[in-house]
Amino acid sequence: GQNIDQPTEMTATEGAIVQINCTYQTSGFNGLFWYQQHAGEAPTFLSYNVLDGLEEKGRFSSFLSRSKGYSYLLLKELQMKDSASYLCAVSFDRGSTLGRLYFGRGTQLTVWP
Amino acid sequence: DVKVTQSSRYLVKRTGEKVFLECVQDMDHENMFWYRQDPGLGLRLIYFSYDVKMKEKGDIPEGYSVSREKKERFSLILESASTNQTSMYLCATHSTGGDDEQFFGPGTRLTVL
Repeated sequence: GQNIDQPTEMTATEGAIVQINCTYQTSGFNGLFWYQQHAGEAPTFLSYNVLDGLEEKGRFSSFLSRSKGYSYLLLKELQMKDSASYLCAVSFDRGSTLGRLYFGRGTQLTVWP
Repeated sequence: DVKVTQSSRYLVKRTGEKVFLECVQDMDHENMFWYRQDPGLGLRLIYFSYDVKMKEKGDIPEGYSVSREKKERFSLILESASTNQTSMYLCATHSTGGDDEQFFGPGTRLTVL
């Protein structure tokens, strides 16, 4: 729901940089989350953006443009352990105090040696 | 640290059985969620609860019900399990007054034969 779109699959090599994009409908937008999910495990929180700009956290950065309805997750110095599904999730005003999130279908990233 | 536990990691049931999936959290979070996750479809919200005895339908509530008798426990009930309910079920919690992220349990892989 809420037209959250992200690529289904991406591949990259160890040491490289990869950018995973996410678009969403802007009406009622409150904030955007990125989660990482390894196969067979629960999603774990990576980042949260509510204002425009880039948030950096070690090898991972997340960018948001509220007016364009666009975000990306940037992974630098890729490692084999970064192979996982990356989930984009959005909160909208109507459900934000209840914590409701709308998830994209996830981007499966494979990192090759 | 927030701890979210689910009663089983793996469960096998037969068509028509009544199935209970339990989720317990130890951080006094108000909001709790049940999702199912299927390949290619991402995380889909079944039900959520923002207080004891309160519940809201998510995007795919058909065939499911929920119970929240105590703040720390949120149960998902399949009244009469069907093969199309074979899936990974994930519970999550969120604190209204805290950070905005959701915290996930480890998941229950349910197979309905």
